[in-house]
Amino acid sequence: QVQLVESGGGVVQPGTSLRLSCVASGFTLSDFAMLWVRQAPGKGLEWVAIMSYDGSETYYADSVKGRLTISRDTSKSTLYLEMNNLRDEDTALYYCARDGMTAAGTFDHWGQGTLVTVSS
Amino acid sequence: DIQMTQSPSSLSASVGDRVTISCRASQRISDWVAWYQQKPGRAPNLLIYKSSSLESGVPSRFRGSGSGTEFTLTISSLQPDDFATYYCQQYNDFYFRTFGQGTKVEIK
Repeated sequence: QVQLVESGGGVVQPGTSLRLSCVASGFTLSDFAMLWVRQAPGKGLEWVAIMSYDGSETYYADSVKGRLTISRDTSKSTLYLEMNNLRDEDTALYYCARDGMTAAGTFDHWGQGTLVTVSS
Repeated sequence: DIQMTQSPSSLSASVGDRVTISCRASQRISDWVAWYQQKPGRAPNLLIYKSSSLESGVPSRFRGSGSGTEFTLTISSLQPDDFATYYCQQYNDFYFRTFGQGTKVEIK
């Protein structure tokens, strides 16, 4: 079955960096667009980054553009989110999610999330 | 960017009630809307896609409708398992997807 497992979160100081990982199983990473979605404590969902199925295109929310980078290693079935120059407002639970198989454009599988806390 | 405005932000209802949640898009998006349910401490779960299509395994008491800029999620008879937060999401723009702010459904 499809499974997404995130890791790499933690408590970091403002201005520092962090790399999140998401190991995918039960499907081929290069067959689907993959995304990162975050949720600040007690708040709603915010899409932050997307990579096309073939890896040729990446897009970012304005709030993270220039600081976050999505990438993948298909040989390891792993999606990454490189986070640089972290700010207090980046504190959130970060989910990786798969683009919908029945309905492209939706999110049909999610990981359990990894928590990033930015605090001095 | 397309904004999704969801209402109400919260509501109280009893088991067996009919519940309606609305979502308005900032521009016309045909029927490219999905709905998710999220329970505390859990990832969201896809309920509805393309405005009114039920995801496999989702109970038929969940119904989506709408097109253009106005969309609605209806739960025909609220069950104990349905107390959760619900989000709409647009995918008219495949790459730049946006969510509504969420509606928390609480027990009256």
